[in-house]
Amino acid sequence: DAGVIQSPRHEVTEMGQEVTLRCKPISGHDYLFWYRQTMMRGLELLIYFNNNVPIDDSGMPEDRFSAKMPNASFSTLKIQPSEPRDSAVYFCASSLGGSGGVGTQYFGPGTRLLVL
Amino acid sequence: QKEVEQDPGPLSVPEGAIVSLNCTYSNSAFQYFMWYRQYSRKGPELLMYTYSSGNKEDGRFTAQVDKSSKYISLFIRDSQPSDSATYLCAMGAGGAQKLVFGQGTRLTINP
Repeated sequence: DAGVIQSPRHEVTEMGQEVTLRCKPISGHDYLFWYRQTMMRGLELLIYFNNNVPIDDSGMPEDRFSAKMPNASFSTLKIQPSEPRDSAVYFCASSLGGSGGVGTQYFGPGTRLLVL
Repeated sequence: QKEVEQDPGPLSVPEGAIVSLNCTYSNSAFQYFMWYRQYSRKGPELLMYTYSSGNKEDGRFTAQVDKSSKYISLFIRDSQPSDSATYLCAMGAGGAQKLVFGQGTRLTINP
């Protein structure tokens, strides 16, 4: 398996522009997670899906952020309009939920976002 | 107060030293404890996974969980320069798949 695939790997944009990050989870995994990582705040969970349905979006910082998962093999995280404080590395991860336990999360390589 | 506290370091030790990394937590519902390793400009990858209290050993790595003290540790024996990375602890409760991560400790092993 190719692992979790994210695109683009790097994104530089200007304040106010729309940014769309993409993720392809590992085939067969039923959970998908979006994280943001910064030096100051560490790795923060933004939202996660189970079987394409959003389960917990309490980590989404504000209405400028939205995420979708139209099918089991694709998810997007959109920021509109983007602001300099959104600059961070955004990771997508997927896992296979087990009965009772917590599944191992497999992370993608991340998208490094810089908003000027 | 954060649910999971981890000293961000940085921590620098000579090659061959024993390294001890630690996290404390406040949520008594956590039962699943993990250590992820993250190399520079890469995504985190699972290193160790333990359930409830006790020890788990895998080669040079040992994970310890003390639920009574809400304290977990990762020990690295005979540390190597290739162990230089950021180590993140992560915890989860049964029934929910989400994890809460620590801040991460940046570790450098000097040859």
